[in-house]
Amino acid sequence: GENVEQHPSTLSVQEGDSAVIKCTYSDSASNYFPWYKQELGKRPQLIIDIRSNVGEKKDQRIAVTLNKTAKHFSLHITETQPEDSAVYFCAAISPSDTGNQFYFGTGTSLTVIP
Amino acid sequence: DTEVTQTPKHLVMGMTNKKSLKCEQHMGHRAMYWYKQKAKKPPELMFVYSYEKLSINESVPSRFSPECPNSSLLNLHLHALQPEDSALYLCASRLDTNGETQYFGPGTRLLVL
Repeated sequence: GENVEQHPSTLSVQEGDSAVIKCTYSDSASNYFPWYKQELGKRPQLIIDIRSNVGEKKDQRIAVTLNKTAKHFSLHITETQPEDSAVYFCAAISPSDTGNQFYFGTGTSLTVIP
Repeated sequence: DTEVTQTPKHLVMGMTNKKSLKCEQHMGHRAMYWYKQKAKKPPELMFVYSYEKLSINESVPSRFSPECPNSSLLNLHLHALQPEDSALYLCASRLDTNGETQYFGPGTRLLVL
């Protein structure tokens, strides 16, 4: 099955700086890569996603890049703000006989220091 | 309505109690999921229902019993739980099991004493 690794596990940045979180995956059949943000005590919320036929996607201060050859994808947050502090999970979706399977990364706890 | 709702928000139960968690969505999704999540860890898949039928049980102990009464509702019945079962229980739904976008409910925070 798929194996998703996520780094770093914790990340602290000054407000206004950029943050980058990286994930690698093992299954070349994985074709969809969402990123979830989970604030303390709240549900995981989809913030951006990318499909395997696209190399980069941007939504305001958030961008995701995908390198299919190297099997890695990254989340980039620019001009970070304190409200960006949360745990971020990457995921890779891999097709199977029972439908698309979600494989989550281990999470990155991001702290933005005011 | 693009929301998954869950009740209760919090639940404290003893090891001999029987309780149920409830999940509801009105997006017409036909795939519904139960996840267990420990603090700062990724959600762990427990059960998958596809068109109201259980399609995946990730070797979950029998003290957890899922039920899907109809296409909008998903229950998780709890009995004789252990303290290590304390966690956030998340429900999620997708259009179907081939869907990509997964919507999570707010979760039920369960404490087993």
